Amino acid sequence: NAGVTQTPKFQVLKTGQSMTLQCAQDMNHNSMYWYRQDPGMGLRLIYYSASEGTTDKGEVPNGYNVSRLNKREFSLRLESAAPSQTSVYFCASQLPGQGANGYTFGSGTRLTVV
Amino acid sequence: GQQLNQSPQSMFIQEGEDVSMNCTSSSIFNTWLWYKQDPGEGPVLLIALYKAGELTSNGRLTAQFGITRKDSFLNISASIPSDVGIYFCAGQLGQSNNNDMRFGAGTRLTVKP
Repeated sequence: NAGVTQTPKFQVLKTGQSMTLQCAQDMNHNSMYWYRQDPGMGLRLIYYSASEGTTDKGEVPNGYNVSRLNKREFSLRLESAAPSQTSVYFCASQLPGQGANGYTFGSGTRLTVV
Repeated sequence: GQQLNQSPQSMFIQEGEDVSMNCTSSSIFNTWLWYKQDPGEGPVLLIALYKAGELTSNGRLTAQFGITRKDSFLNISASIPSDVGIYFCAGQLGQSNNNDMRFGAGTRLTVKP
């Protein structure tokens, strides 16, 4: 099915461990985004990629790195997980030229850091 | 970044009742959007508004882009159990591929049958 696919769906990490959250879209979208969702905080942008080969920081980039591997895939890496990174992470992609109307979200990765 | 104030934080209503929620900002936006998030899923776009004063409907949902461009509301008429979820407002300055979208904290809606 077309859309944005995130893996894994759930993950528990120990403080200091590293992991990569995967995101892939098959809609030929240029732009991809990583958000985190915390209770009472809405969605906050971590990093985004306007096109293949480019990445930029969002509102809360500290503690994260990203890779736009190709047009389809945009991964988010936590090098040394901290309890403050416990959150639900959403990947999104956007159809070129459609601005805000084109956001499609994945179903999320629920990460717990203990 | 710009802050969006969304209210109420949560609502508990009876099936059949109408619902109203709103979003305000200290800054101007050129686009207002309303998303719904079902449990365990990502947000899904309900309505997009592009012009100050615009009133748009999508079935039982109606949303308006405030005249000042600093606010928007969403109404749901004759609520049904499947309306349960979290509703997010979002504002965006431009209509290009960049990072200027901001989200409200969400309104959690519970509908009692």
